[in-house]
Amino acid sequence: DAKTTQPPSMDCAEGRAANLPCNHSTISGNEYVYWYRQIHSQGPQYIIHGLKNNETNEMASLIITEDRKSSTLILPHATLRDTAVYYCIVPMEYGNKLVFGAGTILRVKS
Amino acid sequence: KAGVTQTPRYLIKTRGQQVTLSCSPISGHRSVSWYQQTPGQGLQFLFEYFSETQRNKGNFPGRFSGRQFSNSRSEMNVSTLELGDSALYLCASSLGDIFSGNTIYFGEGSWLTVV
Repeated sequence: DAKTTQPPSMDCAEGRAANLPCNHSTISGNEYVYWYRQIHSQGPQYIIHGLKNNETNEMASLIITEDRKSSTLILPHATLRDTAVYYCIVPMEYGNKLVFGAGTILRVKS
Repeated sequence: KAGVTQTPRYLIKTRGQQVTLSCSPISGHRSVSWYQQTPGQGLQFLFEYFSETQRNKGNFPGRFSGRQFSNSRSEMNVSTLELGDSALYLCASSLGDIFSGNTIYFGEGSWLTVV
């Protein structure tokens, strides 16, 4: 998979926007960027994915730079329940394989 | 719409035994993949099946095997269990290829403890 780089941890105040960066400088033109999160001891939860344009859904927004070498996941109003490990993944291997790195531990604090 | 369902949720086995885990994908999904999560190795890909054919396999010993049935339900088997096989085993399903922008959805996992 295209290598992604994420900060190991971030803190965010409850009610504020959480901006989680991801670097994927080796991404190819037709590869998607996927974001998942995992709350302790649960299965990973899909958040959002995108190719070139910015994307928004009920959970988050995904901002992809024009050169596609980096992206930012935005949780507009973080709550304590958003505390989790967030994974940025660029799949490039055949057979629906997701390669999970260490991700970013987001701690939302009251 | 029901999500990915895994059974059993928790189980305890003895070293040397074998175990079979079951996964029912989201209705209509033809791709099913399996992952192992341990504290030391994190989330690791085991294998993926699409329409009963294994398309990709991770770097695990032959004791780990799987199969997919014609209704897309899948099972994975671990034979000759070792203490190190204690882990959360996750199943995931997808309508199609992620290269085409399809989404992979995960189940809640099966917790296996080997004693």
